[in-house]
Amino acid sequence: AQTVTQSQPEMSVQEAETVTLSCTYDTSESDYYLFWYKQPPSRQMILVIRQEAYKQQNATENRFSVNFQKAAKSFSLKISDSQLGDAAMYFCAYPGLEYNQGGKLIFGQGTELSVKP
Amino acid sequence: GAGVSQSPSNKVTEKGKDVELRCDPISGHTALYWYRQSLGQGLEFLIYFQGNSAPDKSGLPSDRFSAERTGGSVSTLTIQRTQQEDSAVYLCASSLEVWSPEAFFGQGTRLTVV
Repeated sequence: AQTVTQSQPEMSVQEAETVTLSCTYDTSESDYYLFWYKQPPSRQMILVIRQEAYKQQNATENRFSVNFQKAAKSFSLKISDSQLGDAAMYFCAYPGLEYNQGGKLIFGQGTELSVKP
Repeated sequence: GAGVSQSPSNKVTEKGKDVELRCDPISGHTALYWYRQSLGQGLEFLIYFQGNSAPDKSGLPSDRFSAERTGGSVSTLTIQRTQQEDSAVYLCASSLEVWSPEAFFGQGTRLTVV
């Protein structure tokens, strides 16, 4: 079964510092996407960054980057120069592309990130 | 519309009543997904639509839950005879196609059953 695990329920970072959120997953697929979503108090899930498994280069979006280790099935998110607006719940997600299940997302348990001024 | 729209934003209902939650996806998106987010639990996949059909309904937690989509656009999630354990945030998402790599989420409906 495809699973996604986030082992850090809570993380804290000082403003302007760097923080890394961890995620591991399990799949037998060789080509797939991985995502990090941010959920602020407004509840709306916002896509932060995505990685395509066949690409060796780690994805980067401004202050957000990933460390994708395919063999280890690890997909961590690094936030540089943390800002107060980064405080939110972060979810790692994997599309369960099994037959008859479409592009449904399998989410990790989430990591609550707080940013201290 | 510009984004995925869900209504109502918040709903308080009495135990045993029926409720309907609405999702209006991004125009042109053929795939639509419903998830449930319960306090202390993760995001649970409920059902998805490809056009108006729902190939897999196995994620629905009980037969009190049903969903439909008409005209390939708006979807409603209906919960009959609500129970307190149904209290959760119900999130809707849409994507251009089922195999599209990115899904766009609405702001969810917070359902509270008292």
